[in-house]
Amino acid sequence: TQLLEQSPQFLSIQEGENLTVYCNSSSVFSSLQWYRQEPGEGPVLLVTVVTGGEVKKLKRLTFQFGDARKDSSLHITAAQPGDTGLYLCAGLGFQKLVFGTGTRLLVSP
Amino acid sequence: NAGVTQTPKFQVLKTGQSMTLQCAQDMNHNSMYWYRQDPGMGLRLIYYSASEGTTDKGEVPNGYNVSRLNKREFSLRLESAAPSQTSVYFCASSEHTRYNTGELFFGEGSRLTVL
Repeated sequence: TQLLEQSPQFLSIQEGENLTVYCNSSSVFSSLQWYRQEPGEGPVLLVTVVTGGEVKKLKRLTFQFGDARKDSSLHITAAQPGDTGLYLCAGLGFQKLVFGTGTRLLVSP
Repeated sequence: NAGVTQTPKFQVLKTGQSMTLQCAQDMNHNSMYWYRQDPGMGLRLIYYSASEGTTDKGEVPNGYNVSRLNKREFSLRLESAAPSQTSVYFCASSEHTRYNTGELFFGEGSRLTVL
């Protein structure tokens, strides 16, 4: 069974701080997606990374896929209250999309 | 743009009762999915349908059945609800087949409580 562990599980920070969320596995994935989920809503795709070592930027969010395609990270610069939500990574393995355990982020003004 | 629509949004059942969660998408996607979301466990795949007329088990299929009624609609049925099925259920669709999963588009979720 392929597993994706995210850390930290919970993160509470002040507006303007930087943070990094990690998504780790012992399995290799052909691609990795990051979703954000707000309360009462379904997850919404933020980005897909495909190539080992790939870095993608989405405004203040930077996503990186590990060289071995087993892990990924999400870095947020100068977090804002609008970044509050549940962040989920999802790896495409053998015929299967596996979701991570999730990181719940709270950004206070 | 409706996207993926799920009904009902909330439901309370007693142990042993049955119910069906409905899902419809208007994006002409081939693939549809049912997930459950529990605290600290992310999203777990219950069943999926790669195309109209086909369904396959996911990670946690026990206690559930599905029907792909047509290309738009994919329903999830609980025949005899158990407290362990208390969860938030999400329907999703995607343009690609399960073997080349693209972006998943999710509904707003159905919160089910089994007493």
